[in-house]
Amino acid sequence: NAGVTQTPKFQVLKTGQSMTLQCAQDMNHNSMYWYRQDPGMGLRLIYYSASEGTTDKGEVPNGYNVSRLNKREFSLRLESAAPSQTSVYFCAIKRGAADTQYFGPGTRLTVL
Amino acid sequence: DAKTTQPPSMDCAEGRAANLPCNHSTISGNEYVYWYRQIHSQGPQYIIHGLKNNETNEMASLIITEDRKSSTLILPHATLRDTAVYYCIASRSSGSARQLTFGSGTQLTVLP
Repeated sequence: NAGVTQTPKFQVLKTGQSMTLQCAQDMNHNSMYWYRQDPGMGLRLIYYSASEGTTDKGEVPNGYNVSRLNKREFSLRLESAAPSQTSVYFCAIKRGAADTQYFGPGTRLTVL
Repeated sequence: DAKTTQPPSMDCAEGRAANLPCNHSTISGNEYVYWYRQIHSQGPQYIIHGLKNNETNEMASLIITEDRKSSTLILPHATLRDTAVYYCIASRSSGSARQLTFGSGTQLTVLP
């Protein structure tokens, strides 16, 4: 996970609360991604950003917003958390022309 | 991206070669085969990728059949630390951001 950091590592929210998950990279890559992983499931893409200032929806964007204000950081915001958003959230960056993505350690979110 | 099919689970004895199969019968000519793995509770880790030639790196070897409809990831001397879920992904590489579609993967258990 070297080069991709995520904060916080763990978070418990009540339904309706808001929070922002932070992701930062120190490798100067353009493309960044947010995935979620539910228990026993593969990863699903929420949003991605091809470059600073641009974002695009992935497979499961509903209930989330993202922000890519600079090349280094890509944040994911839950405006009104729901129990269905209980999951592990992974940030990733894309290195090079191939689809080699490097993932952060994850944020474990529980919504009660 | 082409759909991939993997067995849900496999066992391998420590020190032996682990051969993980993947079927991608509808893969198109410009789609690469990628392998990632996810050790429990960690972010996915890139292993290897290839187009049509066999590939080898310090982690594994990738054997792609001549018709490209299937491939095999080989871990030459499996260790207990190789116990993980292994994901086979078919994806068309490009210079821009692209979504990786993670399926359910194969749970490899390396037995002592």
